[in-house]
Amino acid sequence: GVTQSPTHLIKTRGQQVTLRCSSQSGHNTVSWYQQALGQGPQFIFQYYRKEENGRGNFPPRFSGLQFPNDSSELNVNALELDDSALYLCASSVDSGTDTQYFGPGTRLTVL
Amino acid sequence: GNSVTQMEGPVTLSEEAFLTINCTYTATGYPSLFWYVQYPGEGLQLLLKATKADDKGSNKGFEATYRKETTSFHLEKGSVQVSDSAVYFCALSNYGQNFVFGPGTRLSVLP
Repeated sequence: GVTQSPTHLIKTRGQQVTLRCSSQSGHNTVSWYQQALGQGPQFIFQYYRKEENGRGNFPPRFSGLQFPNDSSELNVNALELDDSALYLCASSVDSGTDTQYFGPGTRLTVL
Repeated sequence: GNSVTQMEGPVTLSEEAFLTINCTYTATGYPSLFWYVQYPGEGLQLLLKATKADDKGSNKGFEATYRKETTSFHLEKGSVQVSDSAVYFCALSNYGQNFVFGPGTRLSVLP
């Protein structure tokens, strides 16, 4: 399945953070979502074959990478209090496939 | 742009009661529609999906029918169990891109 690390993270405002995701075997597409408390997930961006393949309404300080083994990183610079949320990654077989498999998420708290 | 609206929760039912969670959407083109479920402390799990008008998705006793004329995808279950207590998200996607989720509906089932 899809795994994410770390499980929980506490940072202070202005810091930078890196979250990691390991895709399900055979999946070449990873999407990242931000889920604020009590809300639905918001699409951040998708990576397909190491290229960004779509982006939601998030500023450039949210960036990502996808590695040859299809694992992925989400980087957030200049953290703000509103960045506190559960960050979910989801993998799928292909960018045009609508079935995604979600990881358990990383809970980020910004103080 | 695309959007999803769900009935507000929380919804509290007794075991074996009938469940309906309303979902309506606004979208361009012909999106695929989904219901995801999130149990406490976990990521999202795909519950069911439908990819075209009049399709019925079903899984674990849950059903939803893609109604293009009313732009709806209501979730139903004939007899809920305590183990169904979770948060339910309606979502849509165009060809695996730009998933949009509703705000979620929390369901509590009492024994």
